[in-house]
Amino acid sequence: NAGVTQTPKFQVLKTGQSMTLQCAQDMNHEYMSWYRQDPGMGLRLIHYSVGAGITDQGEVPNGYNVSRSTTEDFPLRLLSAAPSQTSVYFCASSPQGATTDTQYFGPGTRLTVL
Amino acid sequence: AQSVSQHNHHVILSEAASLELGCNYSYGGTVNLFWYVQYPGQHLQLLLKYFSGDPLVKGIKGFEAEFIKSKFSFNLRKPSVQWSDTAEYFCAVVWPGYSSASKIIFGSGTRLSIRP
Repeated sequence: NAGVTQTPKFQVLKTGQSMTLQCAQDMNHEYMSWYRQDPGMGLRLIHYSVGAGITDQGEVPNGYNVSRSTTEDFPLRLLSAAPSQTSVYFCASSPQGATTDTQYFGPGTRLTVL
Repeated sequence: AQSVSQHNHHVILSEAASLELGCNYSYGGTVNLFWYVQYPGQHLQLLLKYFSGDPLVKGIKGFEAEFIKSKFSFNLRKPSVQWSDTAEYFCAVVWPGYSSASKIIFGSGTRLSIRP
């Protein structure tokens, strides 16, 4: 099993550009989520999904879109990148949800917006 | 709003020293509690979790945590640290009765540095 994979590992964008961060898991987990990690602020939940076709907002959803067309994939889209979106982004999955399940994290994507 | 506090931002210890990292959360009621660890260059991984039962929980690599409901705390402990424990440690809390079913709040993390 590859677990949770994320691409790319590093990305530099200019303000206003758009891009998609990819996340995939091969554990057949229903629940997937995206976090951003900023210095001194820990991990903050951006969006999550409890199954294919179902997504919901987390704590900091503005400027990000998600979709979940398959169980395996949960891409995160930045529509118009801003410097405030410079961060490390983590994708995670778990069998049922974050409430009682262990979450399995990907390696992260380090994004810089100039 | 619910919050999770980790007041120790950076802890520096010598090998064999005892460790206690603090985690406090706002609001009472039923909580599910987690400690995650991120070793340098690696993914975040679960150290231990508490849902109910014995408030003293044992995790991997000799770590344990104690849930004290009256203090809204879930402190992480290890009797004797090793250089390999150098990592960032995150406390995370879910309030199943208050929050959306799938939301979890993380603390800001504590960086632990162990001097050989």
